Amino acid sequence: DAGVIQSPRHEVTEMGQEVTLRCKPISGHNSLFWYRQTMMRGLELLIYFNNNVPIDDSGMPEDRFSAKMPNASFSTLKIQPSEPRDSAVYFCASRGGSGETQYFGPGTRLLVL
Amino acid sequence: DAKTTQPTSMDCAEGRAANLPCNHSTISGNEYVYWYRQIHSQGPQYIIHGLKNNETNEMASLIITEDRKSSTLILPHATLRDTAVYYCIVKSYGQNFVFGPGTRLSVLP
Repeated sequence: DAGVIQSPRHEVTEMGQEVTLRCKPISGHNSLFWYRQTMMRGLELLIYFNNNVPIDDSGMPEDRFSAKMPNASFSTLKIQPSEPRDSAVYFCASRGGSGETQYFGPGTRLLVL
Repeated sequence: DAKTTQPTSMDCAEGRAANLPCNHSTISGNEYVYWYRQIHSQGPQYIIHGLKNNETNEMASLIITEDRKSSTLILPHATLRDTAVYYCIVKSYGQNFVFGPGTRLSVLP
């Protein structure tokens, strides 16, 4: 299995631009999670989906952030407009079946100038 | 309040066992102990989890005390590639993972 796939791996953009991060979960997994990691705040859960439906988005910092999961094999996290404080590593994780273990992707390193 | 307490950092000699402690004195009966690690510039990697009994897999062993108030992750023969931040997480079924600062393990040659 290829594991969780994220793209791009690195993104550098200017303040005010729209940023779209992409995630392909492990095939057959029915839950998908978006996390953000910074030095100051550590690893934080932003939102998660069960069977493509958003369940808990309480971690989404503000309305500039949105996430979608149009099908079981693809999710996006969008930031519009981006700000320098959004600079972080964004991880996607997926989980399958009745288990609780989450499997993380390699992350997208975002730098907003 | 944090559910777990871990040392900030530890060193271990290559080839020796690395024993990483975790205190979770307020753990509830239905909460599991999970361990993840994060190697530099990579995503967190699942290692092992347990409820009451000691667990072993190809990566590590998890020893949980009888009162469940603490646990130890054991890497039996640490290698340089085991240098990482190790997270001990306590959660019940359906709860989200909450990652603390973890323990930064340095395996020294």
